Amino acid sequence: EVQLVESGGGLVKPGGSLRLSCAASGFTFDTYTMNWVRQAPGKGLEWVSSISSSSSYIQYADSVRGRFTISRDNAKNSLYLQMNSLRAEDTAVYYCVRVAATPRWGQGSLVTVSS
Amino acid sequence: QPVLTQPPSASASLGASVTLTCTLSSGYSSNKVDWYQQRPGKGPRFVMRVGPGGIVGSKGDGIPDRFSVLASGLNRNLTIKNIQEEDESDYHCGAEHGSGSNFVLVFGGGTKLTVL
Repeated sequence: EVQLVESGGGLVKPGGSLRLSCAASGFTFDTYTMNWVRQAPGKGLEWVSSISSSSSYIQYADSVRGRFTISRDNAKNSLYLQMNSLRAEDTAVYYCVRVAATPRWGQGSLVTVSS
Repeated sequence: QPVLTQPPSASASLGASVTLTCTLSSGYSSNKVDWYQQRPGKGPRFVMRVGPGGIVGSKGDGIPDRFSVLASGLNRNLTIKNIQEEDESDYHCGAEHGSGSNFVLVFGGGTKLTVL
């Protein structure tokens, strides 16, 4: 069974940092592009970042470029999102997502940026 | 990159049918779109993928036959027949665009479906 399990969310002050992790299982992780997608409270879905299977291609939304860094460790079947210089508007549930083949989403990890 | 447009809300009576619309911006008539169901407090759940010719691949796990898609021009619509209480959810459409160095995911604003 395909599973994506996010962790690392929590409450952080503006300007702070947080690192999200996503543990993948049930599929050949190192053959898929992976993504982070977020959803602010009461809002729609917003793509954050993508990383290709071998990390050759990395993309960011304009809203996070220069502050967030996506990475992966194929040996550990894990995806990461390092979030620096966090702002109140980054408050959201962050989802780890595989879009190719049959799309799969994790359960999400809540990040709250507040003083 | 394409823009996906969804109405913010829709409603239908129990047992009736409803069609949720997702419209691609001009110039993207060949794009595929994914439909997701999001129940309150839960993460998005894949429903099915629709391309210019209709459904692409298989439906998501546990998606009943009452759910179907239809493509027409720039529209990638999701129809739910014999609506049940458990269908009350937010429905999102999303699409991949580009590849390699210009890959991006785009999403519509989502439609909140209310079952009357």
